[in-house]
Amino acid sequence: DAGITQSPRHKVTETGTPVTLRCHQTENHRYMYWYRQDPGHGLRLIHYSYGVKDTDKGEVSDGYSVSRSKTEDFLLTLESATSSQTSVYFCAISESNQEGSLYEQYFGPGTRLTVT
Amino acid sequence: AQRVTQPEKLLSVFKGAPVELKCNYSYSGSPELFWYVQYSRQRLQLLLRHISRESIKGFTADLNKGETSFHLKKPFAQEEDSAMYYCALSYNYGQNIVFGPGTRLSVLP
Repeated sequence: DAGITQSPRHKVTETGTPVTLRCHQTENHRYMYWYRQDPGHGLRLIHYSYGVKDTDKGEVSDGYSVSRSKTEDFLLTLESATSSQTSVYFCAISESNQEGSLYEQYFGPGTRLTVT
Repeated sequence: AQRVTQPEKLLSVFKGAPVELKCNYSYSGSPELFWYVQYSRQRLQLLLRHISRESIKGFTADLNKGETSFHLKKPFAQEEDSAMYYCALSYNYGQNIVFGPGTRLSVLP
């Protein structure tokens, strides 16, 4: 497995509370991604980062924010968690070749978040 | 908009039978397509990508641009193939990627 860890691995929280999920990599890859995985929807991109302090929105970014202050860490924050954000969250990393095309994505183990 | 469809949510086959997991995509440019697999209690991992044209664990997938398909095939399914399979489309030089909803393959003894 690529050196990607996620913390926490499981979390139960109440509606309206803030939650931060952490993705940590030891591969020095430039690109990092946050996805949510839901039955019937597959993986949907929330936000991604293409460098330190460089982030952009994905398909389902509403209600989420991210930060990347250093290469190895990519944080996903739910400012005020809602029950619709109950999901499994995956972090992924990727790197580009000299032509700028991205290689495959390597995934973290996932974080199961339950919002009650 | 770019989209990936996998029409079967669940596919059950018997051990030794051929298996085909369907994937169709919509993209007007030159796509790069992948199959990712997630075994029980494991993280997602790349199974194969169309540009490498290789066979991994007996699986192959051919890109058919005319039918905009990238079906995953294996002639003889094994029980250890039981997993969730996701087809994915990468575009814009890999800057963007879209995943399909996934197909759960169950190989019965």
